[in-house]
Amino acid sequence: EPEVTQTPSHQVTQMGQEVILRCVPISNHLYFYWYRQILGQKVEFLVSFYNNEISEKSEIFDDQFSVERPDGSNFTLKIRSTKLEDSAMYFCASSVPRANQPQHFGDGTRLSIL
Amino acid sequence: QKEVEQDPGPLSVPEGAIVSLNCTYSNSAFQYFMWYRQYSRKGPELLMYTYSSGNKEDGRFTAQVDKSSKYISLFIRDSQPSDSATYLCAMSVPNNAGNMLTFGGGTRLMVKP
Repeated sequence: EPEVTQTPSHQVTQMGQEVILRCVPISNHLYFYWYRQILGQKVEFLVSFYNNEISEKSEIFDDQFSVERPDGSNFTLKIRSTKLEDSAMYFCASSVPRANQPQHFGDGTRLSIL
Repeated sequence: QKEVEQDPGPLSVPEGAIVSLNCTYSNSAFQYFMWYRQYSRKGPELLMYTYSSGNKEDGRFTAQVDKSSKYISLFIRDSQPSDSATYLCAMSVPNNAGNMLTFGGGTRLMVKP
């Protein structure tokens, strides 16, 4: 069964550094998403992306964050000037190109900021 | 009031039991409802997806939505130890450009052999 893949599975970064998290969505999906889950807390929406632009973002997704689809298969989340509170699991998800369809998630990248 | 509430558990049941997991929500604009299963150190895995009030069945799983009460349930029949996981409800409002999911906090289920 097709799946969303995320790399790396674990990223350790010094505070203040930039980090890029990578995702390969399911091949026929055209809606892409990032969520995060701080340890012990709910899964929280960050951003949705369609047709090469952000379609919706939460208040968490400030100027520190950016997303990009650099080629036909990858979808990335960049976090600039990382802070301790950015430590979390980051999940990528994708869905088919029809509105309001269920999202399929990858296994996440655990980001640890030291 | 939190948008989506879910009892965190843990819920411990013997193998073969019927499990009932529930979420309540406050936003009447939610129209799409999902249940995900999350194993430790894994991503949410889609179990059920529904957009209308009533029941939807898939194998041992039944999703139930009551929009008038803002209440959704997931029933698991003949529960197995492999069902031990955290179950997340999620919901969204209709949107033409990708839909943001709002999650509950998850219920941890343990099925004992």
